[in-house]
Amino acid sequence: ELKVEQNPLFLSMQEGKNYTIYCNYSTTSDRLYWYRQDPGKSLESLFVLLSNGAVKQEGRLMASLDTKARLSTLHITAAVHDLSATYFCAVALRDDKIIFGKGTRLHILP
Amino acid sequence: NAGVTQTPKFQVLKTGQSMTLQCAQDMNHEYMSWYRQDPGMGLRLIHYSVGAGITDQGEVPNGYNVSRSTTEDFPLRLLSAAPSQTSVYFCASSRQLDGTDTQYFGPGTRLTVL
Repeated sequence: ELKVEQNPLFLSMQEGKNYTIYCNYSTTSDRLYWYRQDPGKSLESLFVLLSNGAVKQEGRLMASLDTKARLSTLHITAAVHDLSATYFCAVALRDDKIIFGKGTRLHILP
Repeated sequence: NAGVTQTPKFQVLKTGQSMTLQCAQDMNHEYMSWYRQDPGMGLRLIHYSVGAGITDQGEVPNGYNVSRSTTEDFPLRLLSAAPSQTSVYFCASSRQLDGTDTQYFGPGTRLTVL
């Protein structure tokens, strides 16, 4: 059974700082997704990572994937208040299930 | 394109009632899925479908049925609602799961079972 673990589950940080959210998963996969969810809203896709060593960047967010370590990271550079949200990673299995982590609630203080 | 649409947005049921949550997409996506979201639990996969006529169980399928008679629609049926099914339900679709395709999520249905 696939386990997808995110940490931290809650993060409060100041504007301008850097931080990293970690996503570990327990079985082989070559597809990993990152999503953002604002309170009371639906999920918005951020990144799709398909291979070992993949790195994607959009603005202040950068995601990477290490399939050998079964680890993905979402790095936030010089955080701004608008990035406050809950971030989810999700892992695709070979039987086409996509399993989500519990999410990291990010609160950026002005 | 309307994307992924879900109806209703809100629903209150009594224990034992049945209902169908509707999900439709107009992007000709093959892959569709249903998730439930509960506080502190992330999203949990209920059922999914890789194409019309094909469905499979996810992590938490008990108490729910699905069918996929067309590419566009993927309804979720609650057979006999229970308070434990109080949740926010999201439907999602994707062209395929290979390549760079991601899932697009609907706006959600907030269900309360009394």
